Order: sequence, then structure tokens, then C-alpha cells
Amino acid sequence: DGGITQSPKYLFRKEGQNVTLSCEQNLNHDAMYWYRQDPGQGLRLIYYSQIVNDFQKGDIAEGYSVSREKKESFPLTVTSAQKNPTAFYLCASTLGWRGDGYTFGSGTRLTVV
Amino acid sequence: KNQVEQSPQSLIILEGKNCTLQCNYTVSPFSNLRWYKQDTGRGPVSLTIMTFSENTKSNGRYTATLDADTKQSSLHITASQLSDSASYICVVSHQTGANNLFFGTGTRLTVIP
Repeated sequence: DGGITQSPKYLFRKEGQNVTLSCEQNLNHDAMYWYRQDPGQGLRLIYYSQIVNDFQKGDIAEGYSVSREKKESFPLTVTSAQKNPTAFYLCASTLGWRGDGYTFGSGTRLTVV
Repeated sequence: KNQVEQSPQSLIILEGKNCTLQCNYTVSPFSNLRWYKQDTGRGPVSLTIMTFSENTKSNGRYTATLDADTKQSSLHITASQLSDSASYICVVSHQTGANNLFFGTGTRLTVIP
């Protein structure tokens, strides 16, 4: 079945560590996105990529980094510069660059310990 | 300013009852409006997507309405079931740009037996 796979489902990070969240899609979608979800807030865009080897900052990119070396993969690294990383992270993809037909992954819960 | 507001913030209903969730938006120029269902700890799943010319769209027991003149949408759930307990998120697309989605904060619905 086609879809988006995020891993791991749960992730724990120590203070000062970098961690990487995986996002893989087999939908042949062009664009991929990373969102952060906090209780009581709407989804906020971290980074997005419309094509391979290109990505753009979203509204809350500070403390995060991404890469898009393959069309299928868009990993997100939460760096030690992100001071409040505990959140639910969602990856999404769309067929075209305009954001039609959004498909979301099942999410990764990141907790700082 | 492009915004999406949902009400109520939370709702508790008895199993078998109907309910209606509201979404007001100021996004312009409007492209489309989507309703998503998000179970706890999971990614959002699309229920309906409506364009400017559509007034009503159904998906099983879910019926969405759109009034593009007043910039209001509603999601009506008929004969609620325990499995309807989830957050329902309204997402409005702007016509231009790749970063063109605006998310509501969601309505948390709890269906009790």
C-alpha cells in the first residue's frame, strides 16, 4: 500500500543532543512537509521541499534542519539549538507543489528527558 | 491576516446523537477547504475537500457545508459513534504559493456511551 511512514513513533532526547526523525513516502509525491503540533495550537510548518535537493524554511525553522537527497525521503533533524523540542511531529506529502491532496504520516512524539 | 478559527474548542456528546462543528476563515484568495479527523497520537486523515463552487459534500455520516460568501464551513456528524472521538481540524488553502495551508486549532470531540 502507498503511504507515508514516519519513524520512530516515540523518541526521547537528552538535553544537548541532536536527533533525526525519518519520513519516507512511496506515493511518488513531489512535495514534502514537516509540521509541529502542540496542544491547543494548529499545525505549524517547519520546513518544506518541492523538489529533490531543494527545501524552504517554514514559519518555525529555527533549531531544525532537513535534507532532500531522494524524492522519497525527507528527514528532519532536531538540533540542540531547538530549546523546546517536546512536541508531536507530522510529515506530509503532496503530488504537486501547490499542496493539493495532502497525505499525512502517523507522527513522531519527541520528548526531552 | 489569513486565519482559521474553529468552534467549539471541545465537545462531549452521547453516542447516537448528532453534532455540528464550525469553521470560520479569513483566507483570501480562497482555494479549497478540507476537514481532517485526527485520532490521538495519529496523523490527520482527510474527510472532505471542498472548492469554491461546492456547498455540500458528504462522506458517510460526515457532511461538510461551505458558504464562501460568509467564509464559513461546518462539519455535521450524524448518529455519532464512539469511534468518532477525535480532533477535527479545518484546513483552508490559499490560491498562491507552496506554503499555502492555514490550519485551525481543531475541535476535540468526545463521544460517550
